[in-house]
Amino acid sequence: SQQGEEDPQALSIQEGENATMNCSYKTSINNLQWYRQNSGRGLVHLILIRSNEREKHSGRLRVTLDTSKKSSSLLITASRAADTASYFCATDGGTSYGKLTFGQGTILTVHP
Amino acid sequence: DAGITQSPRYKITETGRQVTLMCHQTWSHSYMFWYRQDLGHGLRLIYYSAAADITDKGEVPDGYVVSRSKTENFPLTLESATRSQTSVYFCASITRQGQHTEAFFGQGTRLTVV
Repeated sequence: SQQGEEDPQALSIQEGENATMNCSYKTSINNLQWYRQNSGRGLVHLILIRSNEREKHSGRLRVTLDTSKKSSSLLITASRAADTASYFCATDGGTSYGKLTFGQGTILTVHP
Repeated sequence: DAGITQSPRYKITETGRQVTLMCHQTWSHSYMFWYRQDLGHGLRLIYYSAAADITDKGEVPDGYVVSRSKTENFPLTLESATRSQTSVYFCASITRQGQHTEAFFGQGTRLTVV
C-alpha cells in the first residue's frame, strides 16, 4: 500500500487564494518531499523537508512536518492559474537505495 | 541535452507481445527507478537499480523485467503484455547528497495494451 496519502483528492480555488494540501504516512522517514505534475508530464521536485525539520519555505511554498502525527502539509500562497497541477508527497525511508514512496496526489485547479 | 529521456512517448501493443520501454539519463546517477501511474493508485514502484548490474523488485514487479548493463540506461521489458499493464510508465533517477534526495523524472511513456 502507498506510504503517503494525500488529502483532499481534488481542490478547486480562485486565483489569489491559498491552497493547502495534506499528506499522511505510516512509517518512519528520513525526509518527505513534494512534487508537482503538470498534465501529461513527469513529476518535478518542489521541496524537501528533513525529519528533524518542522517547517520550510521556498518562494510561495510552505511545508510543515509533524513526525508525531506522521503528517505534512503543503501551502501554496497567492495561487496562480499556472499552479494548476497534481501534487504528490513522497517519503524517503532512508534506505540505501533512496526509494521514494508516493501518495495518490491532490489535483489542484486554480481558476483565473 | 542533459536530463532523463524515455522512449517511446506513446505505444500501442497487442496482448501477449513483448515490449521494451527505454530510459536514458545523462547525469550518471547511480539510482534509477521505474514507476507506473494509474488512476486511483498514484505512482507504484516496479523495479529499481542502485548501480549497473544491481536491480531489485519494487511493489508491483510481476510481468516486468529490467536490466542495467550501463549506468545511463535502464530499460523495462514487458515479457508478455496484458491489458492490466496499460498505464503510464515513468522512469526516474535520483541524486543523493547526504540526507538530500531528489528524483528527476522522464516525460513518461503511455502504453496501451489491446
